[in-house]
Amino acid sequence: DVKVTQSSRYLVKRTGEKVFLECVQDMDHENMFWYRQDPGLGLRLIYFSYDVKMKEKGDIPEGYSVSREKKERFSLILESASTNQTSMYLCASRQGLPNTEAFFGQGTRLTVV
Amino acid sequence: AQTVTQSQPEMSVQEAETVTLSCTYDTSESDYYLFWYKQPPSRQMILVIRQEAYKQQNATENRFSVNFQKAAKSFSLKISDSQLGDAAMYFCAYRALIGGSEKLVFGKGTKLTVNP
Repeated sequence: DVKVTQSSRYLVKRTGEKVFLECVQDMDHENMFWYRQDPGLGLRLIYFSYDVKMKEKGDIPEGYSVSREKKERFSLILESASTNQTSMYLCASRQGLPNTEAFFGQGTRLTVV
Repeated sequence: AQTVTQSQPEMSVQEAETVTLSCTYDTSESDYYLFWYKQPPSRQMILVIRQEAYKQQNATENRFSVNFQKAAKSFSLKISDSQLGDAAMYFCAYRALIGGSEKLVFGKGTKLTVNP
């Protein structure tokens, strides 16, 4: 089975802190994604990566950056956390073929105080 | 822009009965894929069913089936013989390759409650 692991389920950080959310997948998938999930808004794409060191902005990249130094790991970085970044963050990965599904991690609930 | 609309924020169904969740999408692409994902309270998002736009036949996975109407851009999910374990958030999603860039867009979700 594909496993997508996010480093934390719950995280509390202070305003202005630099925050790293880590995601690791074990199936050699090319594509990896970071989504933000908020009630009533569904999932919104922050960034995605289709190869090592490659990244593309999603719909809401402001305030975030990403890093993909190794194929299995995709990190989301909040350069200076703000209270409006309090949310659920979901990582996903997918094989780079057309008809393949995305597999999701268990999510990280980030609270910025 | 590609959008996915789920018009029912919440739905409920009696155990063993059938329920249909609605999804419409907007696209100018002819080649794309549609998905229904389930997110139970444990939060792990899992795939329920997928449909390729080029296939006319509606996808079926056990108790789950879709009604794919390409011209109407509609992709509803039918759950038959509902079980308590079906209670979850359900997300409809659309994926296409546009300008060399992959787009995977989700709707806002429908919360399904299953009553015993």
